Amino acid sequence: NAGVTQTPKFQVLKTGQSMTLQCAQDMNHNSMYWYRQDPGMGLRLIYYSASEGTTDKGEVPNGYNVSRLNKREFSLRLESAAPSQTSVYFCASSEALQGSSGRALHFGNGTRLTVT
Amino acid sequence: SQQGEEDPQALSIQEGENATMNCSYKTSINNLQWYRQNSGRGLVHLILIRSNEREKHSGRLRVTLDTSKKSSSLLITASRAADTASYFCATAMEYGNKLVFGAGTILRVKS
Repeated sequence: NAGVTQTPKFQVLKTGQSMTLQCAQDMNHNSMYWYRQDPGMGLRLIYYSASEGTTDKGEVPNGYNVSRLNKREFSLRLESAAPSQTSVYFCASSEALQGSSGRALHFGNGTRLTVT
Repeated sequence: SQQGEEDPQALSIQEGENATMNCSYKTSINNLQWYRQNSGRGLVHLILIRSNEREKHSGRLRVTLDTSKKSSSLLITASRAADTASYFCATAMEYGNKLVFGAGTILRVKS
């Protein structure tokens, strides 16, 4: 079982460059998420998609855009990278929307992004 | 500030000992979840406890929840070197779809 697959694993960008982080899940989950993880902080939600065709902002959406391409795939785009976006990015999925549903999140192994 | 905060920030124990990690939160919750993260990997869901539950067990894991004190603890019994990881609590608000992660406890189990 592949679970949640993220590409690339590592990326170095120069300030102002753009890139798209890819995420795919094979668990037939309805909901997908993008988080960033910074040292000493918990995960912070960037964007989420409750179901195919919908996307919503999370806690820290500025500087990012997302696309829910289909039920399996959810991509995150940085249009003009900034050093403050240096972080580890995690994609996750769940059967139903997180929170009071109590559905567990399933995470990919992350993309380590450095912006110089 | 974060909804869930873990304590201690770091914990170092010998193999075979028990490890206890605590999580405190500020507002009423629907459920609280614990996740483990091995170095360089994504988070893995361990256990969920709902606000109307006081204790849950899963293998060597025991989770307690005290809603009056707004706190939870994760106990790992008979720890193993493979338990070395970061552990995060995540709290789900009473209503809605928000799940907020704490900063985590780094556990090191020495063999």
